[in-house]
Amino acid sequence: AQSVTQPDIHITVSEGASLELRCNYSYGATPYLFWYVQSPGQGLQLLLKYFSGDTLVQGIKGFEAEFKRSQSSFNLRKPSVHWSDAAEYFCAVGVLSGNTPLVFGKGTRLSVIA
Amino acid sequence: EAGVVQSPRYKIIEKKQPVAFWCNPISGHNTLYWYRQNLGQGPELLIRYENEEAVDDSQLPKDRFSAERLKGVDSTLKIQPAELGDSAVYLCASSSHRGREYEQFFGPGTRLTVL
Repeated sequence: AQSVTQPDIHITVSEGASLELRCNYSYGATPYLFWYVQSPGQGLQLLLKYFSGDTLVQGIKGFEAEFKRSQSSFNLRKPSVHWSDAAEYFCAVGVLSGNTPLVFGKGTRLSVIA
Repeated sequence: EAGVVQSPRYKIIEKKQPVAFWCNPISGHNTLYWYRQNLGQGPELLIRYENEEAVDDSQLPKDRFSAERLKGVDSTLKIQPAELGDSAVYLCASSSHRGREYEQFFGPGTRLTVL
C-alpha cells in the first residue's frame, strides 16, 4: 500500500523568501504524485501533478516540484513567497490504474510573515 | 465549467442525530469519491463510486454511515446516528479518465460539528 510523509507540520517563511515543502512517498511502482493547496474553509486546489516524463513539473501560482525516484521524494518549491500563499499544503500519491483514491500526507501549514 | 458542488457547507448537530450531505460532481465525471478530513490531517477515502456502483467502501463505517449515488450522478452521504468523533470536513471529489492521466476535482466540503 502506498503512503505519504510530510515531515514538516508547520513552516514559517518571510514574504519574498524561497520555500521548499518536503514530501516522501512509499509505493512499489511508478507513482502519480500531486500537490494540493487548501485555504481555510476551502476545498483542495490542485497545484501540480506528475505522471511521467520531465521530473521537474511546473504548476500554478509559480510553484514547481521535482520528482526524485532515488529519494522517493516530490518536494514543492517556490522562489519567492507571497502573503497569499499562506495555507495548508498536501502531497498525495495515486496509482497507475487511475481513478483510484489518492493517499494524502498529513499536510504542512505554511505561515508567511512580513 | 461548474466545479464540484456540495451542500450544506456547514452543519452543527447534537450527537445521536442523523445528518446528510449532498454532492453534485462535474458533468461527465463517472467516478465520485467521498473523503473525510479530520482536523490537522489529510483527507482519507470513505467510499468511491464508478457510475452508480460503489467499488471501494472498505473504509466506510457501515454501522452508521451509508451512501448512495442514484443514476450515477449526484450522491448523498448519511450518518445515523452521529457521534462526537464524526466531527470533520467531508469532501466530495470527482474524476474522469483522460487517457492514462487523471485528476480529482474537489468540492469545498461540508464541515460537520457534532455537539
